[in-house]
Amino acid sequence: EAGVTQSPTHLIKTRGQQATLRCSPISGHTSVYWYQQALGLGLQFLLWYDEGEERNRGNFPPRFSGRQFPNYSSELNVNALELEDSALYLCASSLRRTSGTYEQYFGPGTRLTVT
Amino acid sequence: TQLLEQSPQFLSIQEGENLTVYCNSSSVFSSLQWYRQEPGEGPVLLVTVVTGGEVKKLKRLTFQFGDARKDSSLHITAAQPGDTGLYLCAGDFNDYKLSFGAGTTVTVRA
Repeated sequence: EAGVTQSPTHLIKTRGQQATLRCSPISGHTSVYWYQQALGLGLQFLLWYDEGEERNRGNFPPRFSGRQFPNYSSELNVNALELEDSALYLCASSLRRTSGTYEQYFGPGTRLTVT
Repeated sequence: TQLLEQSPQFLSIQEGENLTVYCNSSSVFSSLQWYRQEPGEGPVLLVTVVTGGEVKKLKRLTFQFGDARKDSSLHITAAQPGDTGLYLCAGDFNDYKLSFGAGTTVTVRA
């Protein structure tokens, strides 16, 4: 069974540009999560999508946005890029949470470099 | 704000030695997950613990969940160079996202 996939692997942009990152979840998973892992800051929760809707959002400005498509794949868009947006962006997926615990499985990440 | 504290931040040991990594919070977890991450890759799920006092074993790795569900530990017996990596604990506080600790970088020298 294929795991979570992300594209592109690496992305280089200049300050002020927009970046689009893509994620395909594990088959059967309906929830997609986005995290930012900047150097020295650990994994910070960005966004959670389930069934095409944004369900929760971390403490990030509105220029970080995204969407989830009917096939449950997801896009993360970062507008007006700033140097500090340089980080590894990780996507994770899980089964839909109804009750109890759930497990998130991560993709390999997209390394975004803003120059 | 980090709700989870991991310790130590760095750990360097010789092959064959044992090590323990700790994860603590002032809040109760509904569940806690341990991940290992290698440079430039995504975290890989090792285990999920749910019940207070639970102990899970994965080959040479032993995971414990505190009785009050506020702390957890990861113990590696007879560490090998392949155990080298960043170990992350992630807590589910019933708020539909995982909160991650800062991680423990483990280096096992041959």
